[in-house]
Amino acid sequence: GDSVTQMEGPVTLSEEAFLTINCTYTATGYPSLFWYVQYPGEGLQLLLKATKADDKGSNKGFEATYRKETTSFHLEKGSVQVSDSAVYFCALRGVQGAQKLVFGQGTRLTINP
Amino acid sequence: DTGVSQNPRHKITKRGQNVTFRCDPISEHNRLYWYRQTLGQGPEFLTYFQNEAQLEKSRLLSDRFSAERPKGSFSTLEIQRTEQGDSAMYLCASSFTSMYNEQFFGPGTRLTVL
Repeated sequence: GDSVTQMEGPVTLSEEAFLTINCTYTATGYPSLFWYVQYPGEGLQLLLKATKADDKGSNKGFEATYRKETTSFHLEKGSVQVSDSAVYFCALRGVQGAQKLVFGQGTRLTINP
Repeated sequence: DTGVSQNPRHKITKRGQNVTFRCDPISEHNRLYWYRQTLGQGPEFLTYFQNEAQLEKSRLLSDRFSAERPKGSFSTLEIQRTEQGDSAMYLCASSFTSMYNEQFFGPGTRLTVL
């Protein structure tokens, strides 16, 4: 079945560092891909999405490009802030009318000032 | 506040007891989803409704679990004869019916089974 694999955390960076969180997936066809973020004490929020190959999703300085050839959707940000500290989840929604989201295990990110 | 709400936010129960959680979706959304999240893991799909019809159930949803959405608005998730392995965060999400329907998540109900 469909699955998502994220780089293991936790990840700790200094403020203004470059961020990459790796995400790869296994699915048939062309699933839709998502990054969700969970800030401390809050619910999951959609950060960005891409629905077809080579699409780039972007939001709040974060970007991720849908790479069909490598089945990847890596999350990047050029300069992180303390407020970016959260847990990040990569997810996919499969094809053929599938509605459920399949999530990776999450990556906890801590940014130190 | 027009977001997804869940009640209660926390529930502590003893093994063998029954528990029921409620989810109120965003009012215009006709799809409603339940997920379960254990510590250190991503959410896992349990079931979803379109209006009042339950259209998909995960194999994770054992016979002890039942979900309803009787009038196509709020939903309840009941767990009978709770087990310690049921301890988790139960998440509800809702969405429109559209090709790229974004799912909006509630804050979750944290269940602890002693």
